[in-house]
Amino acid sequence: DTGVSQDPRHKITKRGQNVTFRCDPISEHNRLYWYRQTLGQGPEFLTYFQNEAQLEKSRLLSDRFSAERPKGSFSTLEIQRTEQGDSAMYLCASSSGLADYNEQFFGPGTRLTVL
Amino acid sequence: AQRVTQPEKLLSVFKGAPVELKCNYSYSGSPELFWYVQYSRQRLQLLLRHISRESIKGFTADLNKGETSFHLKKPFAQEEDSAMYYCALRTRLAFGKGNQVVVIP
Repeated sequence: DTGVSQDPRHKITKRGQNVTFRCDPISEHNRLYWYRQTLGQGPEFLTYFQNEAQLEKSRLLSDRFSAERPKGSFSTLEIQRTEQGDSAMYLCASSSGLADYNEQFFGPGTRLTVL
Repeated sequence: AQRVTQPEKLLSVFKGAPVELKCNYSYSGSPELFWYVQYSRQRLQLLLRHISRESIKGFTADLNKGETSFHLKKPFAQEEDSAMYYCALRTRLAFGKGNQVVVIP
């Protein structure tokens, strides 16, 4: 499968614990995006990378959230001191080129449940 | 700020009937607009984008800057069109809440 992959697919954790998610984009895609989707809502933008540079972060991304893309390939999203409100589907997407209208290819998502 | 509004949450249509999903946006710059679709148990995928001016699976959408709209239309709904449809704006995609379309055979 050469599409975007995410790991794990499901994560259940207790409030206050740290969690880390991984996203592997389509090979050679230079842009990588993170979104969060809660029940009944569309995906909400969190942050995006162009190669290894994090170019934009949403105000939704509190200090407890950090994302990295150290070598411009895979990316990780870490949530520290999780809260119940962090329960959501976390989506990763990637695209090629620099144009804003390029198609984003989405991964299957990581569903986080905070107890 | 950029915002996308999709007013109808659930749309039920009979097979063969026309479908129109409304999308209005708010953005001060030049908009790039998309429709994404998510079929049952599949990942989110691009349906069409305004810059391509194309018809995909019989769907079309026209950008109306005066009305700040990008409505999605299909003249004859098919059962396989049952899905969640999201209108989205620009690179750092601002999504609407989505439309659940159910096509009744």
